[in-house]
Amino acid sequence: ETGVTQTPRHLVMGMTNKKSLKCEQHLGHNAMYWYKQSAKKPLELMFVYSLEERVENNSVPSRFSPECPNSSHLFLHLHTLQPEDSALYLCASSQVGKATEAFFGQGTRLTVV
Amino acid sequence: GQSLEQPSEVTAVEGAIVQINCTYQTSGFYGLSWYQQHDGGAPTFLSYNALDGLEETGRFSSFLSRSDSYGYLLLQELQMKDSASYFCAVEDSSASKIIFGSGTRLSIRP
Repeated sequence: ETGVTQTPRHLVMGMTNKKSLKCEQHLGHNAMYWYKQSAKKPLELMFVYSLEERVENNSVPSRFSPECPNSSHLFLHLHTLQPEDSALYLCASSQVGKATEAFFGQGTRLTVV
Repeated sequence: GQSLEQPSEVTAVEGAIVQINCTYQTSGFYGLSWYQQHDGGAPTFLSYNALDGLEETGRFSSFLSRSDSYGYLLLQELQMKDSASYFCAVEDSSASKIIFGSGTRLSIRP
């Protein structure tokens, strides 16, 4: 069990659906991250929030929209996704400036049909 | 460009020692991290090296050579539960990017 909780664990959605992924951390961290993990590819950093402000968006398509209402919660809103967006989406948290010492959630396995 | 290279698969025997290497190419560098991920599980932070040398934490040790842009994770007294994927990661200070390697799948044989 980790201090970072993601829901749901599994999600199947159609290309016209709108869904949201949720992440909550109980570690007192002040930076949160969304990563995408596809089979046989490196972890890809999608978004970084530091002190509740978005500081990095690694050229992610606009069909992915993050939201960070406070330092403990992070959302990823999904809209009109493509089948190639099927992957494991991981949330992580850390102290600001310690991104490579992050704690990860269990991830949401997303399948787009 | 920026990249991290690590072997895709390593096989070792229970009780033995295994070393997983990672070479990196980045325009800036803060430090090298290692993560463990079991199938279906979350990546778990193992170690972080910012300075040259060896850091030891129980059965696991991590080494960094900044001049060679190289590091490794050393696992001793291997146990079956160590079967997992191991990722190295670098924070590129000049680009403010976190780059992960593709991961090394470690298989332990009895």
